[in-house]
This record gives sequence, structure tokens and C-alpha cells, in this order.
Amino acid sequence: GQQLNQSPQSMFIQEGEDVSMNCTSSSIFNTWLWYKQDPGEGPVLLIALYKAGELTSNGRLTAQFGITRKDSFLNISASIPSDVGIYFCAGRKAGNQFYFGTGTSLTVIP
Amino acid sequence: DARVTQTPRHKVTEMGQEVTMRCQPILGHNTVFWYRQTMMQGLELLAYFRNRAPLDDSGMPKDRFSAEMPDATLATLKIQPSEPRDSAVYFCASGLVPWTHQETQYFGPGTRLLVL
Repeated sequence: GQQLNQSPQSMFIQEGEDVSMNCTSSSIFNTWLWYKQDPGEGPVLLIALYKAGELTSNGRLTAQFGITRKDSFLNISASIPSDVGIYFCAGRKAGNQFYFGTGTSLTVIP
Repeated sequence: DARVTQTPRHKVTEMGQEVTMRCQPILGHNTVFWYRQTMMQGLELLAYFRNRAPLDDSGMPKDRFSAEMPDATLATLKIQPSEPRDSAVYFCASGLVPWTHQETQYFGPGTRLLVL
């Protein structure tokens, strides 16, 4: 199926640094969701966004629904070692079709 | 601590055999999702149920895959006949109130399927 363009593909950062990743598509979506997956585990839903321009926070995580409805951004402030994992974006259309990003692998160096 | 449970956790089978994967959603959740994850295709939504009714299964190959919820405590995903390209991790997730800011999704640990 269709996949969203997610970047960067991987990131290596120092503990305490901020992180930014984004997801883009040529299609318009009604909902954007961000997930984190640890090795060998199922994904965990972090943030869901429902309106263009919406900015939502969950602790140190902040995500935005792009104005064009074709993109979304996830920021992590003051990274810590437990932020390590793979972050996926997903776009959902009105008919409940989901499309996932290819993932951003985050490594936090203590 | 309520969790989504999936069985089996691992399955190795031969091409052509039937595979049945089971999921017990968290009690009280009204939405159930089946996802598949592979290295090549990434994460894909296969099917989605709300209040046990199938709402979307457009991501699922209809000729060999079927998803059902015989009751509120059990969701099943069947592959018949299985093919090597079906090898993947299959996740079940359950949740509440999709399309709202109270939306939740909790994933199970997955069934790792290998079709030889």
C-alpha cells in the first residue's frame, strides 16, 4: 500500500538535544497519528491530530498537523535514553484507510 | 494492567496451510485493528472493527485473508491458504473513541508468522 515519506530515516543525537522529524504526502489526510515502537514490541500511540494547524503536546512530545493537511511534524524536547526507538507517522483518510510512514530510527547517546 | 493478548506469539507453517491468529482486546474497548508489519512494506492496516462490525478491510487480500469478531472478547485473522509472502508480524490493537481527542489504541505483542 501507499507509504508516507518520513524523514529523517535515522537520527543519532546526544542526550538532552531536541529532535524533529516529519512526514509528508501528496494526499490529504483527515487525521495524523504518531507512534513509537521499541524492538520486539508493538507500536504505542503517542499523539493524534484531527484538524489542520492543530498543535498537540504529550509531555516532551509536540506534534503538528500541517496547514495543507499533507504533512505532520513531531518534536521531542530534551531527549532522554528511553526515547530510543522507531517513530512512525500515519495518515488516516475519511474512509478509515491508514497509511504509514517508513519510520525514523532514533538513537540517543548518553 | 489491562493488555491486548495475541496467540500464538510465534507460528511456523508450510505454504498452503491454514493459519489462525487470535486476539483478545482490552475489556470495554469498542474498536479492534489488525495490522501487518514487514521489512519491505512496513506497517499496513489490514482490517478495522467497531462494535464488532467490520468497518474497513480494504488493506486485506480478500482471496485468502478473513477477519472476524465472533464476540467482544475475541478477534480472529485467518489466512487460507498461506503463502511465503504472508510472513510478517501481525499486530492486533484495541481502543476507544476513534476520531476524537480521547482516541486510544493499545497494541498486542504481535504474532510472528513464518511461512515456508
